[in-house]
Amino acid sequence: DVKVTQSSRYLVKRTGEKVFLECVQDMDHENMFWYRQDPGLGLRLIYFSYDVKMKEKGDIPEGYSVSREKKERFSLILESASTNQTSMYLCASSLRDRVYEQYFGPGTRLTVT
Amino acid sequence: QKEVEQDPGPLSVPEGAIVSLNCTYSNSAFQYFMWYRQYSRKGPELLMYTYSSGNKEDGRFTAQVDKSSKYISLFIRDSQPSDSATYLCAMSAGTDSWGKLQFGAGTQVVVTP
Repeated sequence: DVKVTQSSRYLVKRTGEKVFLECVQDMDHENMFWYRQDPGLGLRLIYFSYDVKMKEKGDIPEGYSVSREKKERFSLILESASTNQTSMYLCASSLRDRVYEQYFGPGTRLTVT
Repeated sequence: QKEVEQDPGPLSVPEGAIVSLNCTYSNSAFQYFMWYRQYSRKGPELLMYTYSSGNKEDGRFTAQVDKSSKYISLFIRDSQPSDSATYLCAMSAGTDSWGKLQFGAGTQVVVTP
């Protein structure tokens, strides 16, 4: 059974703090993705990675960075959190040639005050 | 204008009714069309995918794609209260890592007993 886990379900941080969100998948998937989900806007891709140490910008990368040092782990970093980064963050993974079949984690609800 | 448009609902139907969901899109390069289901406080899960035009059936679910009209649909027959969820359409131009998914905003469906 495919499993994608995220480090926290709920997180509250202050403006200016550095925030780390971690994602781990156990299915040996090549691709990993970070999305944010906001009401009325759906899922928007922040970054994705198709291999260890490889990353590509998605549609909204500003204010975020990522790290993929191991195949199973993909981290999202908010260098200096701002209130407009309050959102639900979802991690997903897929096999290299099956981008259409993404497996999602449960999400992290981040609130920046 | 968004590449993928989806009515956010909510769509309320009585148990046993047919649920009809749809999305429109503007990018003619899209070839893969997906429907994801998201229960409250969970990550999305892939329900169905279709390549190019045509119909696909899986149990009570039928997905239709009309590329000439840039319009996709999902029908749920004999709806159950357990079908209450948000349904997201997603589309991609290719299956490899560069075929990033574009999601609709999601339609909330409520099936009342």
